[in-house]
Amino acid sequence: GESVGLHLPTLSVQEGDNSIINCAYSNSASDYFIWYKQESGKGPQFIIDIRSNMDKRQGQRVTVLLNKTVKHLSLQIAATQPGDSAVYFCAERGGNTGKLIFGQGTTLQVKP
Amino acid sequence: GAVVSQHPSRVICKSGTSVKIECRSLDFQATTMFWYRQFPKQSLMLMATSNEGSKATYEQGVEKDKFLINHASLTLSTLTVTSAHPEDSSFYICSARRTGFSSITEAFFGQGTRLTVV
Repeated sequence: GESVGLHLPTLSVQEGDNSIINCAYSNSASDYFIWYKQESGKGPQFIIDIRSNMDKRQGQRVTVLLNKTVKHLSLQIAATQPGDSAVYFCAERGGNTGKLIFGQGTTLQVKP
Repeated sequence: GAVVSQHPSRVICKSGTSVKIECRSLDFQATTMFWYRQFPKQSLMLMATSNEGSKATYEQGVEKDKFLINHASLTLSTLTVTSAHPEDSSFYICSARRTGFSSITEAFFGQGTRLTVV
């Protein structure tokens, strides 16, 4: 079946360093990818998205890279701050179904 | 930004009783709302898609008679967990898609409801 998975369950970084969170997806028909941040006990918060016809998109302190050849998605956070500590999910929209499928999540821990 | 409000944020109920969770779009109309379930340290699993004025579409494996969804207006969808059991304890999250927009970025998430069945 369709699946979106993350390579690392936990990522620990030093405050000020850059963070890279990876995601692999399996549905080549997916046309839209989104990164969400979820803090404990809260709903997901939209971070950045990218369409399948793009390979890079930048936001404020965040960059999403899409490699369709190997079905890989990454989120780069520059100058990671303690407030960035959370669980990060990638999600893909199935091109056929339009549904949003979430990956398993990576916990980002920022050490002061 | 658009706000989606869920109520209650936490609920504890006895086994066998029913619990209703509300999802409201506060400042926009939402033809479509989605209900997700999330177990601890796991991802969000789509349960059903709720469309205003029509029956909800349930994902495979989700019991429609147990998880009743009603989307009676453009700003409110409700999820009722009927005859709740301890295994129904979970974090339930809704998202609402702004009417007229097909982009995923126009789907906003509520803050979630922590259901504990004792």
